[in-house]
Amino acid sequence: QAQLVESGGGVVQPGRSLRLTCAASKFTFGHYAMQWIRQAPGKGLEWVAIIWDDGTQEYYSDSVKGRFTVSRDNSRNTVYLQMNSLRAEDTAVYYCARNDNSGYHTDYWGQGTLVTVSS
Amino acid sequence: QSALTQPRSVSASPGQSVTISCTGTSSDIGAYNYVSWYQQHPGKAPKLLISDVTKRPSGVPARFSGSKSGNTASLTISGLQAEDESDYYCCSYSGDYTWVFGGGTKVTVL
Repeated sequence: QAQLVESGGGVVQPGRSLRLTCAASKFTFGHYAMQWIRQAPGKGLEWVAIIWDDGTQEYYSDSVKGRFTVSRDNSRNTVYLQMNSLRAEDTAVYYCARNDNSGYHTDYWGQGTLVTVSS
Repeated sequence: QSALTQPRSVSASPGQSVTISCTGTSSDIGAYNYVSWYQQHPGKAPKLLISDVTKRPSGVPARFSGSKSGNTASLTISGLQAEDESDYYCCSYSGDYTWVFGGGTKVTVL
């Protein structure tokens, strides 16, 4: 059973940066695209970003484009989310998730890490 | 990238059926058969229930089924059980390697 563990969340001031990490195990990490999805407190899910299995392509939601960068290190079985110019509306639990073999759905999710943007 | 539209809540008694609708547009649900459904219990990560509109991953009970007509997808839970009380989210591929989620539906077992 694939396992994903996020870390790096915390309280950060508006305009500052934070990097989230997602450590993967129990599957061949380099064979799967990975996504980041977030959930504001008491709200629904919001797709954030995806990175290809080989890291050559990345795509972002309009709400984070230009501020967030997703990357991965297949030698460390880790995917990252660098978040810059953070805003109050970025406050959320951030989940990393594995794309399934079809490439169009996520089949395993981590437990999430909470990011709070507040002065 | 507007969110898909789901009812805020639905409810039914044990053993009955409930259907959750998920309405999108001709650019997402209407354009692709890449609709998925997730179940999320409070404080937990979402769990995949349905992919590709109708496919159930291994381990998901057969009482969960999906369908699609035009720009609207649906999740039906037949023979509702107490443990099905949860939040449910739809998700659709929306082209150009982007995805969009619904706002979520709370299912209450009366």
